[in-house]
Amino acid sequence: EAQVTQNPRYLITVTGKKLTVTCSQNMNHEYMSWYRQDPGLGLRQIYYSMNVEVTDKGDVPEGYKVSRKEKRNFPLILESPSPNQTSLYFCASSSISGGPTLLINEQFFGPGTRLTVL
Amino acid sequence: AQKITQTQPGMFVQEKEAVTLDCTYDTSDPSYGLFWYKQPSSGEMIFLIYQGSYDQQNATEGRYSLNFQKARKSANLVISASQLGDSAMYFCAMREGRTGTALIFGKGTTLSVSS
Repeated sequence: EAQVTQNPRYLITVTGKKLTVTCSQNMNHEYMSWYRQDPGLGLRQIYYSMNVEVTDKGDVPEGYKVSRKEKRNFPLILESPSPNQTSLYFCASSSISGGPTLLINEQFFGPGTRLTVL
Repeated sequence: AQKITQTQPGMFVQEKEAVTLDCTYDTSDPSYGLFWYKQPSSGEMIFLIYQGSYDQQNATEGRYSLNFQKARKSANLVISASQLGDSAMYFCAMREGRTGTALIFGKGTTLSVSS
């Protein structure tokens, strides 16, 4: 089954304790992205990756790190979590259409990770 | 200015009725893509339908159709024959430009379907 998986699904942690949320997709997608969803603000992009070893900042990258060492995995790292990073996090992946310009196709989302930082 | 506007915080509809969820967008790029996602109470984001800016026909997927009015910059989602399982939050999103690297989401519309 084609899917994007995230782990853990739920996490309660304390300020300053480093954590990693894993994301994996089995669709051989080039593009992967992390979003956070907050009430009244919708979804906002944190980081994205167009391919292995190619990552870039989204709209709200502060306090987060990512890596893309393999095509299928795109972990999100919070080196020193703070309460304002309490949120619902989504990983997404997409194929990219080639041609003169690249085109990101529809994004498939993981199930979400609900993070609480105390 | 907001790129994606969903003006209906909540909509209520009875089973078997059709419902239209509004979405307007703002871009000056001639190449863009519009998406609708469904988020049930369980939280996952489910892709419903896609419309490209150069597509001549309105997109349809089963009971979902997209009423695309380019001149008005609107991309309303129409759900025909509503079902109880359609109760969820619905998000309109835009990929702006040929290499848009993010989906820009609206704030969503909560749809409640009653029997």
